[in-house]
Amino acid sequence: QKEVEQNSGPLSVPEGAIASLNCTYSDRGSQSFFWYRQYSGKSPELIMSIYSNGDKEDGRFTAQLNKASQYVSLLIRDSQPSDSATYLCAVNREGDKIIFGKGTRLHILP
Amino acid sequence: GAGVSQTPSNKVTEKGKYVELRCDPISGHTALYWYRQSLGQGPEFLIYFQGTGAADDSGLPNDRFFAVRPEGSVSTLKIQRTERGDSAVYLCASSSLGTDTQYFGPGTRLTVL
Repeated sequence: QKEVEQNSGPLSVPEGAIASLNCTYSDRGSQSFFWYRQYSGKSPELIMSIYSNGDKEDGRFTAQLNKASQYVSLLIRDSQPSDSATYLCAVNREGDKIIFGKGTRLHILP
Repeated sequence: GAGVSQTPSNKVTEKGKYVELRCDPISGHTALYWYRQSLGQGPEFLIYFQGTGAADDSGLPNDRFFAVRPEGSVSTLKIQRTERGDSAVYLCASSSLGTDTQYFGPGTRLTVL
């Protein structure tokens, strides 16, 4: 059974601090890795994708991938109250379906 | 341009009834996905279309669930003899050929009484 594991939270982070979200996956053949943000009552929206080991930065967001450890993380710098949401980690093999984790609820404290 | 649209936004039905949920993907997107999301869970894969054909229907929970995409654009998810456990938000997503970036629609909230 392919699984994606995330701590459900809530993770509370003061405004302006760095939020660190973590994810592990079981399928060593996974090739693509995604972070989606989902506000309450809304549908998921893609914020980052990463395909190779290392870091990928996009504005205040940095995705980190370590395939040997089967670990993906998302860092949010200078956290804002608008970052409060559920963050979904998702992985897939090429041409295969995407498997989502249950998500981590992030709460940015003003 | 228009994003993925889903209708209805809400559907309340009685146990045992038949329901159809519609998804209209982004124009030109060849891949279309259906997911189901229960409260506190991530989206659960149901079925994936590439063009008109179902490329992977391994997520459909049982034979009460069926989906079609006859012209390679709009898709309909059909649920027969609904059960209370079918209550969830049904999400549709689409992506363009050669990419794995999926764009989600707003979802249909199905409630089975």
